[in-house]
Amino acid sequence: QKEVEQDPGPLSVPEGAIVSLNCTYSNSAFQYFMWYRQYSRKGPELLMYTYSSGNKEDGRFTAQVDKSSKYISLFIRDSQPSDSATYLCASEETSGSRLTFGEGTQLTVNP
Amino acid sequence: SQTIHQWPATLVQPVGSPLSLECTVEGTSNPNLYWYRQAAGRGLQLLFYSVGIGQISSEVPQNLSASRPQDRQFILSSKKLLLSDSGFYLCAWSTGAVLYGYTFGSGTRLTVV
Repeated sequence: QKEVEQDPGPLSVPEGAIVSLNCTYSNSAFQYFMWYRQYSRKGPELLMYTYSSGNKEDGRFTAQVDKSSKYISLFIRDSQPSDSATYLCASEETSGSRLTFGEGTQLTVNP
Repeated sequence: SQTIHQWPATLVQPVGSPLSLECTVEGTSNPNLYWYRQAAGRGLQLLFYSVGIGQISSEVPQNLSASRPQDRQFILSSKKLLLSDSGFYLCAWSTGAVLYGYTFGSGTRLTVV
């Protein structure tokens, strides 16, 4: 079993839709949770990170972690065509330990 | 500011040929360095990581090796490429603080023919 599971999609939504991207994890020691965005033929870039359970909001993006169910979510409000990318969730046990990535979900926002 | 350079951007190599991919980081000291491979439609597979000069940890036994001859230089090598070595190779660095995450290079798309 992979430590971080993510539905690879692809996911296609119309512009303006609310997008929900999700991951599950199995390692109870994970404390830090991140979302990376990867445009085609580019390296991933850090989008958001959260520590332990809770929500974190940044503009149109909200990251949510539920440690009791080992569930990680990223919500995108008012999605834009420029949001079209692959989104990867990642987790690590302690700050500075190695990240474990999900497989990534390919998202397309259609104008 | 910190930057990471990775080259070449694309590479087509015949089976059995050697490989050398280079990654350099600017604007920071003693970074943690990583090599990842991303196969088409799949996630990131950690190949090697290094916490200091000459310190290399291998995650997956395979046809590849890594070296860190200088603090901010990380090299991925192979003596004889296999078809299965094709993929998108990414170098990344981190300070070790989760606040900043990993910073990835722009990647090298390797096709072994």
